[in-house]
Amino acid sequence: ILNVEQSPQSLHVQEGDSTNFTCSFPSSNFYALHWYRWETAKSPEALFVMTLNGDEKKKGQISATLNTKEGYSYLYIKGSQPEDSATYLCARVGNRDDKIIFGKGTRLHILP
Amino acid sequence: EPEVTQTPSHQVTQMGQEVILRCVPISNHLYFYWYRQILGQKVEFLVSFYNNEISEKSEIFDDQFSVERPDGSNFTLKIRSTKLEDSAMYFCASSGDSSMNTEAFFGQGTRLTVV
Repeated sequence: ILNVEQSPQSLHVQEGDSTNFTCSFPSSNFYALHWYRWETAKSPEALFVMTLNGDEKKKGQISATLNTKEGYSYLYIKGSQPEDSATYLCARVGNRDDKIIFGKGTRLHILP
Repeated sequence: EPEVTQTPSHQVTQMGQEVILRCVPISNHLYFYWYRQILGQKVEFLVSFYNNEISEKSEIFDDQFSVERPDGSNFTLKIRSTKLEDSAMYFCASSGDSSMNTEAFFGQGTRLTVV
């Protein structure tokens, strides 16, 4: 099994502070890396799909980078807000039509 | 836009009873998943399914759980004898349509309450 590891498992951040967390994955046989935001009692929302080494994507105050050679991706949240509280799931795809392997997520709690 | 649909949206059941949660994945997808989220707690992977068999399952997915794709469209999760701790939101997802889009699509979830 090709593991996708996320760290930290859980994170408490003061409102207004910036934060980041990591997803690491096997660098061989790589096709795509996804980030999803999963709020409590809601359906997960895809944030980013990245495929190329060096990709950087941005959506509002959230951005992500991808390093396929060393097998990691960072998710950054700038000026976190209470609505950013969620579990952030990272997922790796090895081939275009392969199954997605998800990490266990980072639970982010924004403290007012 | 194609979507994953789940029924029912909310199910209340007595402890020890069997429940079947239903999902209709996106029609040309190849991989199917079940996740659950106990309210206020972490999300938990249950099982992934491909080519009519389980490809991966977690330690949560014990003998009380089973999955089926009986008719090529529905993807069901059965819990044979529910426990109080099975109360959670259960989410189905599908992916893998051989196009450039590798994203997983999730249903809106079924809230299972075991009393």
